[in-house]
Amino acid sequence: AQSVTQLDSQVPVFEEAPVELRCNYSSSVSVYLFWYVQYPNQGLQLLLKYLSGSTLVKGINGFEAEFNKSQTSFHLRKPSVHISDTAEYFCAVSDNNAGNMLTFGGGTRLMVKP
Amino acid sequence: DTGVSQDPRHKITKRGQNVTFRCDPISEHNRLYWYRQTLGQGPEFLTYFQNEAQLEKSRLLSDRFSAERPKGSFSTLEIQRTEQGDSAMYLCASRDTGYGYTFGSGTRLTVV
Repeated sequence: AQSVTQLDSQVPVFEEAPVELRCNYSSSVSVYLFWYVQYPNQGLQLLLKYLSGSTLVKGINGFEAEFNKSQTSFHLRKPSVHISDTAEYFCAVSDNNAGNMLTFGGGTRLMVKP
Repeated sequence: DTGVSQDPRHKITKRGQNVTFRCDPISEHNRLYWYRQTLGQGPEFLTYFQNEAQLEKSRLLSDRFSAERPKGSFSTLEIQRTEQGDSAMYLCASRDTGYGYTFGSGTRLTVV
């Protein structure tokens, strides 16, 4: 079984400041890692994913994340946030079994203030 | 291709009634997933199909829930005898061979 912990339920930040949203996971097997963003009353949009290869993954909208196997972490970062980045962010993990269903963390609400 | 479509977007029903939701995945994707998301929580896995075969079901999927994917195309999720605890957003996703999951906009169910 696998689990995902998002350490911060809310992160307030001023516009143009950098931000890091933290994600830790536990799994007994190799995993694939994902970050999704959800705007109010909408579905989930993929920001980026790590399947293999370089541990630094670049995604859409200027976001990036770094896979750290020894610390079982996959933190999301953006060097300069915009008001439009205000949303709920979910980290998810998928193991290598046939189903590959996603297990999500509880989410982090990013609140960008002017 | 317009992505994953879910219908209806919103459904309000009285406790005890049956409801059915529909999901139309991306046509090339043979894997389809249903998730449930309650307020302030991350989505939780319900069930998954590969083509028309339902291969896995979560313990969350009680016997009041049933899902189908006839002919491996669209899928339906039915909840019988709805309870207030069933109020949630029901999300559908389809997946390509590169582990690209695409989610629909969801169906928000309110049981009154």
